[in-house]
Amino acid sequence: GENVEQHPSTLSVQEGDSAVIKCTYSDSASNYFPWYKQELGKRPQLIIDIRSNVGEKKDQRIAVTLNKTAKHFSLHITETQPEDSAVYFCAASKDTGNQFYFGTGTSLTVIP
Amino acid sequence: KAGVTQTPRYLIKTRGQQVTLSCSPISGHRSVSWYQQTPGQGLQFLFEYFSETQRNKGNFPGRFSGRQFSNSRSEMNVSTLELGDSALYLCASSLWQGVGEKLFFGSGTQLSVL
Repeated sequence: GENVEQHPSTLSVQEGDSAVIKCTYSDSASNYFPWYKQELGKRPQLIIDIRSNVGEKKDQRIAVTLNKTAKHFSLHITETQPEDSAVYFCAASKDTGNQFYFGTGTSLTVIP
Repeated sequence: KAGVTQTPRYLIKTRGQQVTLSCSPISGHRSVSWYQQTPGQGLQFLFEYFSETQRNKGNFPGRFSGRQFSNSRSEMNVSTLELGDSALYLCASSLWQGVGEKLFFGSGTQLSVL
């Protein structure tokens, strides 16, 4: 089955700096890669996603890049703000039902 | 629209007991999936139901089971509870968003096994 690895497990950045979280996947049939943000005590929420036929997608301060050949994808957050502090999860899935494989999460702390 | 609703919010059980968790999806969503969240392990897929049929199943023992009703509400059952079953159990309904299925999570049921 699919195996998604996520690094780093914790990340601290100064407000205004950039943050990068990286994930790798093992199943070349995976074709959809969402990122979820979970604030403390709250439910995970989708923040950005990308399909395997696209190499990069951007939404304001966040972007996701995908390298299908290397089987890795990354989340980039620019101009970080304290409200970006949360746990971020990457995930991978195929178009055969809603079975998502999640990474183990990255706890991001933005220091004011 | 109301979000995904999970009940109960908290549960405390002892080893060997069984437990049933409930999930009501967003109106119109037909797919419901369940995840186990533990510190350091992230979210692990349990199973997914679509139109009352289990469509996918994760690598959990047979003590974990579920079902979906005709109104799309879903229940998850864990029998013969073990200490290691202590976790936050998240339910999610989903909707195709043009790029992929977007998961809408409930607030979860925090299960503690003593």
